[in-house]
Amino acid sequence: GDSVTQMEGPVTLSEEAFLTINCTYTATGYPSLFWYVQYPGEGLQLLLKATKADDKGSNKGFEATYRKETTSFHLEKGSVQVSDSAVYFCALSDREAGANNLFFGTGTRLTVIP
Amino acid sequence: NAGVTQTPKFRVLKTGQSMTLLCAQDMNHEYMYWYRQDPGMGLRLIHYSVGEGTTAKGEVPDGYNVSRLKKQNFLLGLESAAPSQTSVYFCASSYRSWAGSYGYTFGSGTRLTVV
Repeated sequence: GDSVTQMEGPVTLSEEAFLTINCTYTATGYPSLFWYVQYPGEGLQLLLKATKADDKGSNKGFEATYRKETTSFHLEKGSVQVSDSAVYFCALSDREAGANNLFFGTGTRLTVIP
Repeated sequence: NAGVTQTPKFRVLKTGQSMTLLCAQDMNHEYMYWYRQDPGMGLRLIHYSVGEGTTAKGEVPDGYNVSRLKKQNFLLGLESAAPSQTSVYFCASSYRSWAGSYGYTFGSGTRLTVV
């Protein structure tokens, strides 16, 4: 079945450091891939997405490239800020699996210190 | 602001009590979902609805019931709460088209504690 495996945290970085959060997936069809972010006390917000192989999603300085050959969708940011402290979820939606469902990873908590 | 609104935001229940969580969206989305979020387990789908008057089971439906009497509302009920249902509950909604096109819009969550 479909699943997402996400780098376990927590991750603590200094401001302006480089961020990578790993995400790999298993899917029966041709999924779309997402990164969601959850700030403290809030719901999940869509950060970026990619709908086909080699697509790059980007938003707010974050990027992720859909790599079909390695079944990965790693999240990167060149210079993190304190305001990026949040929990990040990788997710996939597989049309072949039907039901319009999103499969989520377990989340990675990022803390950025000044 | 347009979006998904969940009520209540916090609730403490005693074992065996019942309650209903309300989710309302004003984006005219056809699909609605209830998830629970537990530490180390990410989000797991409880129930979902693909339209007014329809509901379906997700990954962890036991102990919960849902209803979608109006397109904009999706209710999650706990008939006899158990400590294992202590969790943060999120409602989400999306357009009819495949989630890959637009993704989901989430509410801000309900933190439920069952003692």
